[in-house]
Amino acid sequence: GAGVSQSPSNKVTEKGKDVELRCDPISGHTALYWYRQSLGQGLEFLIYFQGNSAPDKSGLPSDRFSAERTGGSVSTLTIQRTQQEDSAVYLCASSFRTSGTRYEQYFGPGTRLTVT
Amino acid sequence: AQSVTQLGSHVSVSEGALVLLRCNYSSSVPPYLFWYVQYPNQGLQLLLKYTTGATLVKGINGFEAEFKKSETSFHLTKPSAHMSDAAEYFCAVRYSGGSNYKLTFGKGTLLTVNP
Repeated sequence: GAGVSQSPSNKVTEKGKDVELRCDPISGHTALYWYRQSLGQGLEFLIYFQGNSAPDKSGLPSDRFSAERTGGSVSTLTIQRTQQEDSAVYLCASSFRTSGTRYEQYFGPGTRLTVT
Repeated sequence: AQSVTQLGSHVSVSEGALVLLRCNYSSSVPPYLFWYVQYPNQGLQLLLKYTTGATLVKGINGFEAEFKKSETSFHLTKPSAHMSDAAEYFCAVRYSGGSNYKLTFGKGTLLTVNP
C-alpha cells in the first residue's frame, strides 16, 4: 500500500517568509509525528497528533512553528517568518497506534527546507 | 536525561566483511528499541525492532540486533556487507512513561562499504 507522503520534496524560501509543509500519513494510521533532521541537532521530535489533537507540542522550537491535522489524516506544519536556522529536513511519520505492538513509526521521504 | 548513544559517527568496512554498528541507551527500564536506515535523500526505513521476547531480532536485508539488558545495548550486525548497505543508520528508543509515543534517536552512523 501507499506509504507516508510529503510535499513539497524541496522548498527554498527567503528569510522572513512563511512556509507550509504537508504530510499524508498511511491510511488508517491514527498517530502522526513530525521530526526535524539537521546537521547540528540530529533527529528531533517536534509534535505528535493522536487523531486531530496534539497532546504534545513540546518539541516545537518556537512560537513561529505550528501544526494542525484535519480529518484525522493530512497534517500541515507551518513555519512563520522563517529564519536561516530553520533550514533542515522535516520528516513526517505515522503509526497505527501508540501502544502495543503496532506502533512502529513509518517515515515519509521528508521535505528539505532551505532558508536563504 | 534519557539518551541514545551510537559509538562511531562513521564506520567503513570492506565488501563481505562483518558490519557492527553500536548503540547504547540510558534507561533503568528497558525501552523498545529500533534500527532505521536512511539512504541518500530518502526518509527513514525500519530495519528491525525489539519490544519483548526473544532478545535476538532479525530484520530486513540480512541485519540482526541483540538486546542486552545488562549492557544497555542494542548493536546492529550483518555477517557480510554488501555495497548496497552503504547508508546512514539510526538507533532509536521508545521509552516507557509519559512521553512513550515519541522516538529518541542517536546521532547516526554513516556506513561506507569499500569494494
